[in-house]
Amino acid sequence: DTEVTQTPKHLVMGMTNKKSLKCEQHMGHRAMYWYKQKAKKPPELMFVYSYEKLSINESVPSRFSPECPNSSLLNLHLHALQPEDSALYLCASSQDVYDQPQHFGDGTRLSIL
Amino acid sequence: GIQVEQSPPDLILQEGANSTLRCNFSDSVNNLQWFHQNPWGQLINLFYIPSGTKQNGRLSATTVATERYSLLYISSSQTTDSGVYFCAVGLYNQGGKLIFGQGTELSVKP
Repeated sequence: DTEVTQTPKHLVMGMTNKKSLKCEQHMGHRAMYWYKQKAKKPPELMFVYSYEKLSINESVPSRFSPECPNSSLLNLHLHALQPEDSALYLCASSQDVYDQPQHFGDGTRLSIL
Repeated sequence: GIQVEQSPPDLILQEGANSTLRCNFSDSVNNLQWFHQNPWGQLINLFYIPSGTKQNGRLSATTVATERYSLLYISSSQTTDSGVYFCAVGLYNQGGKLIFGQGTELSVKP
């Protein structure tokens, strides 16, 4: 699915850095999602935004801070991450939470040194 | 919560062979999607199929919602079909959350 665009594709950061992941869609979808995927495992939901409001937080540590500035854009702000946070971070969108399917971006591969 | 089981966990095929992947789920669902994750990590939508049968080229899928399973058929497999196939289900009352199975890792040999 290339209709959901994620940047950057790769990110290497130290444990004291602050960085952000960006996700953009122009399909008019009103639900956006962040998933985390560790190697050899399925994706796991982190956050859901519905009509630009946070509707689900799957008990994610506060070092991950999501933001939805408008209906097309979703950010994930990262601060003081741990090595175990190294993973593929996937963004998805759908028409709304009741109107699927979800379309995924290509992901950001994050490495924490 | 809802459980999703995929089988087999691994599958090795010779190019040109056919295969069937299975997804069992423990409760009624509103959403069921099949994905292919290629070796570069891209998660590609194959089917949105909460019920019924769909076909797209060499791939087809069937979901029997009343019996809580879905099947993905791959015919005349090609090396580019290699990767991990995920089934994911969702419920409206869970706010759009998709729950993924553990996946089937497919390797197609030339």
